[in-house]
Amino acid sequence: AQTVTQSQPEMSVQEAETVTLSCTYDTSESNYYLFWYKQPPSRQMILVIRQEAYKQQNATENRFSVNFQKAAKSFSLKISDSQLGDTAMYFCAFMKPPPGGYQKVTFGIGTKLQVIP
Amino acid sequence: GAVVSQHPSRVICKSGTSVKIECRSLDFQATTMFWYRQFPKQSLMLMATSNEGSKATYEQGVEKDKFLINHASLTLSTLTVTSAHPEDSSFYICSARDISGLGNSPLHFGNGTRLTVT
Repeated sequence: AQTVTQSQPEMSVQEAETVTLSCTYDTSESNYYLFWYKQPPSRQMILVIRQEAYKQQNATENRFSVNFQKAAKSFSLKISDSQLGDTAMYFCAFMKPPPGGYQKVTFGIGTKLQVIP
Repeated sequence: GAVVSQHPSRVICKSGTSVKIECRSLDFQATTMFWYRQFPKQSLMLMATSNEGSKATYEQGVEKDKFLINHASLTLSTLTVTSAHPEDSSFYICSARDISGLGNSPLHFGNGTRLTVT
């Protein structure tokens, strides 16, 4: 079974600064997908960024980028120029597409990020 | 973008009654939907996988007779909490993936349902 570990329960960052959230995972699979989801106080789960394991290039989405280290099974999220709206719970997630067509997603326990004005 | 509508957003019921939660994919089709439960300040725990036209697959420890799942069409899955008790109070979230999407298509989530059993 896959496991996802987020070792930082809470973090804070000054507005406009950069912060990195860590995530490690454990799997024996070679092909899989990784995601970072954001859950603001509204509780809506919002996709932040995704990474395919077969791609060596790190994914980027505007101010959000990842550092994907496949050998180390590490998938950290970097938020640049932090904004107040980035305050939320951030969940790292692992998805393996099994035979059969459906995909189960395993979530980490989350990191609560507070952006300080 | 893909939208998943979950209803109701908030429900309060008395102990012993049943509550139905609906999850609809509004602009895409989903052969599979997922139901999660989230306790305060905790992660999402997968309860079951809802399969269109067939029985749901439940995770270990989840009572299938208590949490009834029906996936009657490609756009609708329902979760019924039967004979609800206060310990069933929680935040329930559904998600779905567009069947026409690429392999890395993410899950799209509903806004969740806050269930309070008194």
